[in-house]
Amino acid sequence: NSKVIQTPRYLVKGQGQKAKMRCIPEKGHPVVFWYQQNKNNEFKFLINFQNQEVLQQIDMTEKRFSAECPSNSPCSLEIQSSEAGDSALYLCASSRDISGNTLYFGEGSRLIVV
Amino acid sequence: GQQVKQSSPSLTVQEGGISILNCDYENDMFDYFAWYKKYPDNSPTLLISVRSNVDKREDGRLTVFLNKSGKHFSLHITASQPEDTAVYLCAAGPFNTGYQNFYFGKGTSLTVIP
Repeated sequence: NSKVIQTPRYLVKGQGQKAKMRCIPEKGHPVVFWYQQNKNNEFKFLINFQNQEVLQQIDMTEKRFSAECPSNSPCSLEIQSSEAGDSALYLCASSRDISGNTLYFGEGSRLIVV
Repeated sequence: GQQVKQSSPSLTVQEGGISILNCDYENDMFDYFAWYKKYPDNSPTLLISVRSNVDKREDGRLTVFLNKSGKHFSLHITASQPEDTAVYLCAAGPFNTGYQNFYFGKGTSLTVIP
């Protein structure tokens, strides 16, 4: 079973509400990725961290999401104001290195925005 | 234990050759199998997928072979090209309508040498 732990498994939010998801990466993995998986099973990269620092993020994440990976606490990804189009599966993955050649995925947090 | 395993972390193939990527899974209830290619922008993109009612699916240079009794599936890339160089992730899980929720392998890094 995955050693990357994501919570909650499901969340339902109204439009305009905040939606927060958490991820505990595999022990010893300094790099964390967040992806949004759509209904076509395509993954959109959102943001990644090395230790506590943001390495890369897309415009959408920078404008509408709040994300952090504090030391000794779970990483989190929070949508500040949920929109219908945010309904998706949010997957967290961790890796030993930034090249991400070995990605360990969590089971995801499924967000439904009503 | 790990539900989906890619035993080869890396593979090098000459241009024009056949790249064969392998994946084993644990749960014989899995009935959806997929291969993703991880692009430099960090987003894995679905390449090809099969349900368990077929044992082979072709799409251009890509062929997926499924061996349910052996709990094994593979991706064959014929006429390999340098642009095929990437990390390939296999995934398996139960098929659900709407979003898929998989277990991922750790990835195989394919290098195609000109």
